[in-house]
Amino acid sequence: AQSVTQLGSHVSVSEGALVLLRCNYSSSVPPYLFWYVQYPNQGLQLLLKYTTGATLVKGINGFEAEFKKSETSFHLTKPSAHMSDAAEYFCAVDFRADKLIFGTGTRLQVFP
Amino acid sequence: GAVVSQHPSWVICKSGTSVKIECRSLDFQATTMFWYRQFPKQSLMLMATSNEGSKATYEQGVEKDKFLINHASLTLSTLTVTSAHPEDSSFYICSARLEGRYNSPLHFGNGTRLTVT
Repeated sequence: AQSVTQLGSHVSVSEGALVLLRCNYSSSVPPYLFWYVQYPNQGLQLLLKYTTGATLVKGINGFEAEFKKSETSFHLTKPSAHMSDAAEYFCAVDFRADKLIFGTGTRLQVFP
Repeated sequence: GAVVSQHPSWVICKSGTSVKIECRSLDFQATTMFWYRQFPKQSLMLMATSNEGSKATYEQGVEKDKFLINHASLTLSTLTVTSAHPEDSSFYICSARLEGRYNSPLHFGNGTRLTVT
Protein backbone atom coordinates (compact mmCIF):
# COMPACT_ATOMS: atom_id res chain seq x y z
CA ALA A 1 0.00 0.00 0.00
CA GLN A 2 1.13 3.54 -0.70
CA SER A 3 1.54 5.73 2.35
CA VAL A 4 3.36 8.70 3.82
CA THR A 5 4.61 8.74 7.39
CA GLN A 6 5.99 11.66 9.35
CA LEU A 7 7.64 10.58 12.55
CA GLY A 8 7.08 12.97 15.39
CA SER A 9 4.04 15.22 15.47
CA HIS A 10 6.02 17.80 17.44
CA VAL A 11 9.67 18.79 17.25
CA SER A 12 11.25 21.40 19.49
CA VAL A 13 14.66 22.92 18.93
CA SER A 14 16.63 25.87 20.20
CA GLU A 15 17.33 28.79 17.94
CA GLY A 16 20.50 28.03 16.01
CA ALA A 17 20.18 24.28 16.41
CA LEU A 18 19.83 21.72 13.64
CA VAL A 19 16.32 21.01 12.41
CA LEU A 20 15.49 17.46 11.30
CA LEU A 21 11.97 16.53 10.28
CA ARG A 22 11.44 12.96 9.16
CA CYS A 23 9.39 11.62 6.29
CA ASN A 24 9.15 8.07 5.03
CA TYR A 25 6.99 6.68 2.30
CA SER A 26 5.85 3.35 0.99
CA SER A 27 5.45 3.00 -2.74
CA SER A 28 5.77 0.51 -5.54
CA VAL A 29 6.70 3.20 -8.04
CA PRO A 30 9.24 6.03 -7.82
CA PRO A 31 7.30 8.86 -6.25
CA TYR A 32 7.52 12.60 -6.51
CA LEU A 33 8.26 14.12 -3.11
CA PHE A 34 7.47 17.52 -1.65
CA TRP A 35 7.78 19.46 1.57
CA TYR A 36 5.30 22.20 2.39
CA VAL A 37 5.11 24.65 5.29
CA GLN A 38 1.91 26.02 6.78
CA TYR A 39 1.61 29.04 9.02
CA PRO A 40 -1.52 29.43 11.20
CA ASN A 41 -4.74 29.94 9.27
CA GLN A 42 -2.95 29.99 5.95
CA GLY A 43 -2.54 27.74 2.97
CA LEU A 44 0.56 25.79 2.21
CA GLN A 45 3.81 27.08 0.78
CA LEU A 46 6.18 24.87 -1.14
CA LEU A 47 9.60 24.49 0.48
CA LEU A 48 11.17 22.08 -1.98
CA LYS A 49 10.50 19.15 -4.25
CA TYR A 50 12.16 16.08 -5.69
CA THR A 51 11.06 14.63 -9.00
CA THR A 52 14.18 13.45 -10.80
CA GLY A 53 17.88 14.18 -10.84
CA ALA A 54 20.01 15.12 -7.87
CA THR A 55 18.83 13.49 -4.70
CA LEU A 56 19.86 16.37 -2.45
CA VAL A 57 17.38 19.14 -2.99
CA LYS A 58 17.74 22.67 -1.75
CA GLY A 59 14.69 24.76 -1.01
CA ILE A 60 13.71 28.13 0.29
CA ASN A 61 14.60 29.58 3.69
CA GLY A 62 17.71 27.44 3.99
CA PHE A 63 15.92 24.10 4.03
CA GLU A 64 17.08 21.05 2.16
CA ALA A 65 16.05 17.42 1.86
CA GLU A 66 17.67 14.27 0.60
CA PHE A 67 15.87 11.52 -1.24
CA LYS A 68 17.19 8.15 -0.11
CA LYS A 69 15.62 5.44 -2.18
CA SER A 70 17.13 2.61 -0.15
CA GLU A 71 15.59 4.01 3.01
CA THR A 72 12.40 5.29 1.31
CA SER A 73 12.97 8.55 3.10
CA PHE A 74 12.89 12.25 2.31
CA HIS A 75 13.91 13.97 5.55
CA LEU A 76 13.92 17.76 5.79
CA THR A 77 16.82 19.56 7.41
CA LYS A 78 18.06 23.03 8.18
CA PRO A 79 21.47 23.62 9.77
CA SER A 80 20.41 26.47 12.02
CA ALA A 81 16.86 27.09 13.19
CA HIS A 82 15.38 30.55 13.28
CA MET A 83 12.41 31.70 15.32
CA SER A 84 10.51 32.38 12.10
CA ASP A 85 10.77 28.69 11.18
CA ALA A 86 8.14 27.81 13.75
CA ALA A 87 5.25 26.36 11.75
CA GLU A 88 3.62 23.14 10.63
CA TYR A 89 5.53 21.12 8.06
CA PHE A 90 3.99 18.59 5.74
CA CYS A 91 5.67 15.96 3.65
CA ALA A 92 3.65 15.13 0.55
CA VAL A 93 3.98 12.42 -2.03
CA ASP A 94 2.62 12.02 -5.53
CA PHE A 95 2.52 8.31 -6.30
CA ARG A 96 2.22 9.03 -10.03
CA ALA A 97 -1.55 9.18 -9.65
CA ASP A 98 -1.72 12.91 -10.22
CA LYS A 99 -2.84 13.64 -6.70
CA LEU A 100 -0.89 14.61 -3.65
CA ILE A 101 -1.08 12.64 -0.43
CA PHE A 102 0.03 14.40 2.72
CA GLY A 103 1.68 13.13 5.83
CA THR A 104 0.20 13.92 9.20
CA GLY A 105 2.42 16.95 9.69
CA THR A 106 5.08 17.97 12.19
CA ARG A 107 4.77 21.07 14.29
CA LEU A 108 8.14 22.74 14.73
CA GLN A 109 8.71 24.89 17.78
CA VAL A 110 11.81 27.05 18.09
CA PHE A 111 12.90 28.29 21.48
CA PRO A 112 15.16 31.29 22.03
CA GLY B 1 3.78 33.54 -10.50
CA ALA B 2 1.38 30.65 -9.95
CA VAL B 3 -0.93 32.39 -7.51
CA VAL B 4 -4.09 30.73 -6.28
CA SER B 5 -6.74 32.92 -4.72
CA GLN B 6 -9.40 31.50 -2.45
CA HIS B 7 -12.49 33.36 -1.31
CA PRO B 8 -13.83 33.90 1.27
CA SER B 9 -11.07 33.47 3.82
CA TRP B 10 -13.61 32.80 6.51
CA VAL B 11 -17.36 32.34 6.71
CA ILE B 12 -19.88 31.72 9.43
CA CYS B 13 -23.23 30.27 8.47
CA LYS B 14 -26.27 28.80 10.11
CA SER B 15 -27.00 25.12 10.08
CA GLY B 16 -29.00 24.13 7.03
CA THR B 17 -27.72 26.83 4.73
CA SER B 18 -25.30 26.43 1.83
CA VAL B 19 -21.92 28.03 1.43
CA LYS B 20 -19.91 28.53 -1.76
CA ILE B 21 -16.13 28.76 -1.76
CA GLU B 22 -14.25 29.99 -4.82
CA CYS B 23 -10.80 29.00 -5.96
CA ARG B 24 -9.12 30.95 -8.75
CA SER B 25 -5.81 30.54 -10.47
CA LEU B 26 -4.78 34.14 -11.09
CA ASP B 27 -1.89 33.91 -13.51
CA PHE B 28 -2.10 30.46 -14.99
CA GLN B 29 -4.63 28.02 -16.33
CA ALA B 30 -5.49 24.97 -14.31
CA THR B 31 -7.40 22.12 -15.89
CA THR B 32 -7.20 20.35 -12.55
CA MET B 33 -7.78 21.72 -9.10
CA PHE B 34 -7.87 19.87 -5.81
CA TRP B 35 -9.98 20.45 -2.74
CA TYR B 36 -8.66 19.52 0.67
CA ARG B 37 -10.16 19.59 4.11
CA GLN B 38 -8.14 20.10 7.24
CA PHE B 39 -9.35 19.51 10.77
CA PRO B 40 -7.66 21.35 13.65
CA LYS B 41 -4.11 20.20 14.18
CA GLN B 42 -4.46 17.50 11.55
CA SER B 43 -3.24 16.89 8.07
CA LEU B 44 -4.91 17.71 4.79
CA MET B 45 -7.38 15.20 3.50
CA LEU B 46 -8.03 15.19 -0.21
CA MET B 47 -11.75 15.55 -0.83
CA ALA B 48 -11.97 15.66 -4.58
CA THR B 49 -10.21 16.42 -7.82
CA SER B 50 -11.91 19.09 -9.86
CA ASN B 51 -11.62 18.76 -13.63
CA GLU B 52 -12.46 21.61 -15.97
CA GLY B 53 -15.47 20.80 -18.09
CA SER B 54 -16.22 17.46 -16.49
CA LYS B 55 -17.41 15.92 -13.27
CA ALA B 56 -15.24 16.01 -10.21
CA THR B 57 -13.63 12.86 -8.90
CA TYR B 58 -14.42 12.36 -5.23
CA GLU B 59 -12.34 10.46 -2.73
CA GLN B 60 -13.84 7.55 -0.90
CA GLY B 61 -16.12 8.61 1.90
CA VAL B 62 -16.77 12.13 0.59
CA GLU B 63 -20.44 12.85 -0.08
CA LYS B 64 -20.86 14.10 -3.63
CA ASP B 65 -24.27 15.60 -2.96
CA LYS B 66 -23.06 17.49 0.04
CA PHE B 67 -19.87 18.89 -1.42
CA LEU B 68 -20.73 20.12 -4.89
CA ILE B 69 -17.80 20.98 -7.08
CA ASN B 70 -18.00 22.97 -10.28
CA HIS B 71 -15.02 23.72 -12.52
CA ALA B 72 -16.56 25.83 -15.24
CA SER B 73 -13.42 27.49 -16.55
CA LEU B 74 -9.68 27.00 -16.61
CA THR B 75 -9.23 29.48 -13.79
CA LEU B 76 -12.15 28.87 -11.47
CA SER B 77 -13.38 26.00 -9.35
CA THR B 78 -16.08 26.28 -6.70
CA LEU B 79 -16.93 24.12 -3.74
CA THR B 80 -20.45 24.40 -2.36
CA VAL B 81 -21.18 22.91 1.03
CA THR B 82 -24.88 22.18 0.90
CA SER B 83 -27.15 22.05 3.93
CA ALA B 84 -24.21 22.70 6.19
CA HIS B 85 -24.08 21.23 9.67
CA PRO B 86 -21.73 21.93 12.58
CA GLU B 87 -19.67 18.85 11.73
CA ASP B 88 -18.84 20.47 8.39
CA SER B 89 -16.96 23.18 10.22
CA SER B 90 -13.40 22.93 9.03
CA PHE B 91 -10.61 24.58 7.09
CA TYR B 92 -11.02 24.04 3.36
CA ILE B 93 -8.04 24.55 1.07
CA CYS B 94 -7.92 24.46 -2.69
CA SER B 95 -4.89 23.93 -4.85
CA ALA B 96 -3.99 23.92 -8.49
CA ARG B 97 -1.25 22.57 -10.67
CA LEU B 98 0.23 24.27 -13.69
CA GLU B 99 -1.55 22.92 -16.73
CA GLY B 100 0.16 20.05 -18.45
CA ARG B 101 2.75 19.51 -15.76
CA TYR B 102 1.40 16.71 -13.64
CA ASN B 103 4.57 16.34 -11.62
CA SER B 104 4.85 20.00 -10.80
CA PRO B 105 4.06 21.15 -7.27
CA LEU B 106 0.65 22.24 -6.19
CA HIS B 107 0.00 25.88 -5.51
CA PHE B 108 -2.36 26.48 -2.63
CA GLY B 109 -4.93 29.06 -1.78
CA ASN B 110 -4.89 30.54 1.71
CA GLY B 111 -7.85 28.45 2.78
CA THR B 112 -11.37 29.12 3.96
CA ARG B 113 -12.36 28.61 7.56
CA LEU B 114 -15.99 27.53 7.70
CA THR B 115 -17.90 27.69 10.96
CA VAL B 116 -21.42 26.33 11.01
CA THR B 117 -23.50 27.40 14.01
